[in-house]
Amino acid sequence: TQLLEQSPQFLSIQEGENLTVYCNSSSVFSSLQWYRQEPGEGPVLLVTVVTGGEVKKLKRLTFQFGDARKDSSLHITAAQPGDTGLYLCAGSNFGNEKLTFGTGTRLTIIP
Amino acid sequence: DSGVTQTPKHLITATGQRVTLRCSPRSGDLSVYWYQQSLDQGLQFLIQYYNGEERAKGNILERFSAQQFPDLHSELNLSSLELGDSALYFCASSPRGGSWETQYFGPGTRLLVL
Repeated sequence: TQLLEQSPQFLSIQEGENLTVYCNSSSVFSSLQWYRQEPGEGPVLLVTVVTGGEVKKLKRLTFQFGDARKDSSLHITAAQPGDTGLYLCAGSNFGNEKLTFGTGTRLTIIP
Repeated sequence: DSGVTQTPKHLITATGQRVTLRCSPRSGDLSVYWYQQSLDQGLQFLIQYYNGEERAKGNILERFSAQQFPDLHSELNLSSLELGDSALYFCASSPRGGSWETQYFGPGTRLLVL
């Protein structure tokens, strides 16, 4: 069974600070996705990374896929209250349509 | 709005009962996925359908079953409900069900079993 552990589980920081969320596994994934989920809604895809070492930027969010494709990180610069939510990583392998979701990081940005 | 609709939004029922959750995928999407999200287990993949056929199975209990109809909407049936089945149930859809595709999630059905 492939597992994805996210850390920290909870994070509460002040507006304007930087933060990093981690997603780790002992298994290799073909691709890794990051989602944000807000209360009362379903997860929304932020980014997909598929190449080991790949870095993608989405405005103030920077996503990195580990060289060995077993881990990933999400870095947010100058956090804003609108970044508040549950961040989920999810891994998949080619030929297997099942997504394995991480344990989640609940982020709260304090104005 | 993802384009995926789920009904009902909330459902309260008793142990031992049976319920049906309904999902309509985005227009043009052929594949539907069902997930369960609980506080202790996180978001767990249950089952996937593609164009009416079961394609992949996850941690779905034998008390649970699903199907996808010719018009591509899907239903998840939960029977002999237990307290531990209380959770958010999400449906997602994608164009062809490939692992590389974006899955678009619906707003979920919150099930409470008393």
